Amino acid sequence: SQKIEQNSEALNIQEGKTATLTCNYTNYSPAYLQWYRQDPGRGPVFLLLIRENEKEKRKERLKVTFDTTLKQSLFHITASQPADSATYLCALAGGFQKLVFGTGTRLLVSP
Amino acid sequence: EAGVVQSPRYKIIEKKQPVAFWCNPISGHNTLYWYRQNLGQGPELLIRYENEEAVDDSQLPKDRFSAERLKGVDSTLKIQPAELGDSAVYLCASSLDPGLAYNEQFFGPGTRLTVL
Repeated sequence: SQKIEQNSEALNIQEGKTATLTCNYTNYSPAYLQWYRQDPGRGPVFLLLIRENEKEKRKERLKVTFDTTLKQSLFHITASQPADSATYLCALAGGFQKLVFGTGTRLLVSP
Repeated sequence: EAGVVQSPRYKIIEKKQPVAFWCNPISGHNTLYWYRQNLGQGPELLIRYENEEAVDDSQLPKDRFSAERLKGVDSTLKIQPAELGDSAVYLCASSLDPGLAYNEQFFGPGTRLTVL
C-alpha cells in the first residue's frame, strides 16, 4: 500500500544550526512534492513545491531536494531560529490531482 | 486580503448530535477542499469541489457526512449523527486553479471538534 513516512519524533536543534527533515515514500510515483509548515492551532502554510524532474529547490533559508530513485525528499532550514519551531508536513501529488500528506515532523529550535 | 475563513473555531457536542462547519474560501479560488486532521497525523482529504461540483468525495463517509457548496463560493460540511471517532480538526482549504496538483493550497485555521 502507499505510504508516506516522516520522522514522528521531534527534532531538537540549536539556533543557528541546519535542520534537516526527511520524507520517505513507498508505492508512489509523485509528480510533485510540497512542504507545508503548521503551527499549533493553525492550518498548514505552503512553503515550497518541487517537481519530479527537479533535484533541488531553494527559497531564502529553505532548501528541498527530491530523489525519485531513493523515493525521498529532504527539507533543510539553514541558520535555524526559534521562530522556525513548528510541525513540517510533506505532501505528495500524483496523477490523480490529490495531495496526500505525511504525518509531519515537529521541529524545536532552542536559543 | 482575507484568508480562508472557518467557523466555528471550536465545537463540543455529545455523540449522536448533528454538527455543521462553515468555510469561506479566498475570493476567486475555484477549488475548495475539506480535510480532517487527527491528532499527530497529517490532513486527510474528505472532499474536493471545483466550483459547485464535488469532483472527489471518495473519502467522505457518506452515511453520516454531507457537504455542499452552493453558488460555488462558501461551503458547509455536516456530520449527522456524530460519533466519538469524529473528534478531530476539520480544515478547509482553497486553491486558485481547478484541481491542479501542483497548486499551493491555502488553509483556514480549522474547526476543532470534540465529541463526548
